[in-house]
Amino acid sequence: GESVGLHLPTLSVQEGDNSIINCAYSNSASDYFIWYKQESGKGPQFIIDIRSNMDKRQGQRVTVLLNKTVKHLSLQIAATQPGDSAVYFCAENFAGGTSYGKLTFGQGTILTVHP
Amino acid sequence: NAGVTQTPKFRVLKTGQSMTLLCAQDMNHEYMYWYRQDPGMGLRLIHYSVGEGTTAKGEVPDGYNVSRLKKQNFLLGLESAAPSQTSVYFCASSLTGGRVDYGYTFGSGTRLTVV
Repeated sequence: GESVGLHLPTLSVQEGDNSIINCAYSNSASDYFIWYKQESGKGPQFIIDIRSNMDKRQGQRVTVLLNKTVKHLSLQIAATQPGDSAVYFCAENFAGGTSYGKLTFGQGTILTVHP
Repeated sequence: NAGVTQTPKFRVLKTGQSMTLLCAQDMNHEYMYWYRQDPGMGLRLIHYSVGEGTTAKGEVPDGYNVSRLKKQNFLLGLESAAPSQTSVYFCASSLTGGRVDYGYTFGSGTRLTVV
């Protein structure tokens, strides 16, 4: 099967800086993408999603950018806080007849925010 | 609402032993999934279910069996545990499946060690 991958496995930033986490996907048929945050000892938590008919979506302090031409996804976190320290995963979904909501996950990026 | 509850949270097995992991959701979701998460890797799909009484194989099904006798419960069984099954197991559920809106709801995970 096709998979989603990440360019940077670790990212360290200072509190207050903006963070950018990148993700490359390989299935050109994928049409729905999600970013998850996973804190130590917990399950992944939904952050933001985007559909393939959009190239940008904003949430509270987070923005997801989608570039379908190069099959690239990014998560931008504004004014990063120590509480943002976690592992961030991107995931993709193809809404085909047999996809049944199955998500393909990237390997994850560890974000560390220094006070 | 409890969301998705996984039991047990931790377990140590000897090679060859069997066990069942329980996932329960109280959101009336149709779709349920079992993933495993290994160090440095994203989540990989083991089995999934699109409704009560149905199950299907995911990406890494070997060595596992599942059952969905009741809509709210999805059981993952290991008949003869192997050290390669040492992992963190996550259960997830979603309302719509084929169009994954807002992603899944994840449980908090079961950390399994096979010695």
